[in-house]
Amino acid sequence: AQKVTQAQTEISVVEKEDVTLDCVYETRDTTYYLFWYKQPPSGELVFLIRRNSFDEQNEISGRYSWNFQKSTSSFNFTITASQVVDSAVYFCPSLGGAGGTSYGKLTFGQGTILTVHP
Amino acid sequence: DADVTQTPRNRITKTGKRIMLECSQTKGHDRMYWYRQDPGLGLRLIYYSFDVKDINKGEISDGYSVSRQAQAKFSLSLESAIPNQTALYFCATSDFSGNTDTQYFGPGTRLTVL
Repeated sequence: AQKVTQAQTEISVVEKEDVTLDCVYETRDTTYYLFWYKQPPSGELVFLIRRNSFDEQNEISGRYSWNFQKSTSSFNFTITASQVVDSAVYFCPSLGGAGGTSYGKLTFGQGTILTVHP
Repeated sequence: DADVTQTPRNRITKTGKRIMLECSQTKGHDRMYWYRQDPGLGLRLIYYSFDVKDINKGEISDGYSVSRQAQAKFSLSLESAIPNQTALYFCATSDFSGNTDTQYFGPGTRLTVL
């Protein structure tokens, strides 16, 4: 079975501050996948990024960047120069790869509520 | 038009009633899922289907049943609704071809059981 822990339940920042959302995962699967999703106040879940367990390359997309460190089982998400529109709940689920007990199933943590104040 | 649609978007019902939530997708994906979201608990998997003839229980399937009528349609039923089934329900789809399996979610159905 997999487990995801999002250390911060809630984060509050002022616009233009940088903010990092922490995510730690536990798995016994050899192959697994990690994701970040955003859930804005309107309620839908928006896919942001997917990372394979064998690919530790960090990624940057505009103001967003992701740091995957297999050695510490972490997949952290940083928003640079935050904006009010970044206010949302953020989830970092994991998905088991082929042959594992959690194959094809997303396991979610409780999420981090990010509030960006103007 | 949205790739993954859910009907209804909101529903209020009474204890003991039978409820069906429907999900349709135009993404051509073979895999479909039902989750529920409760405050502070993230999303939990109810049922999933890797193809039309494959139905599997998830983490919290008690009190629910599903039907995969076609590749594009996956319905969730509550045979006799109870108040602790009040939650936000999401349908999701994924495509394993190309070994990606990223799940894409519908807009959600907010269900209230009185």
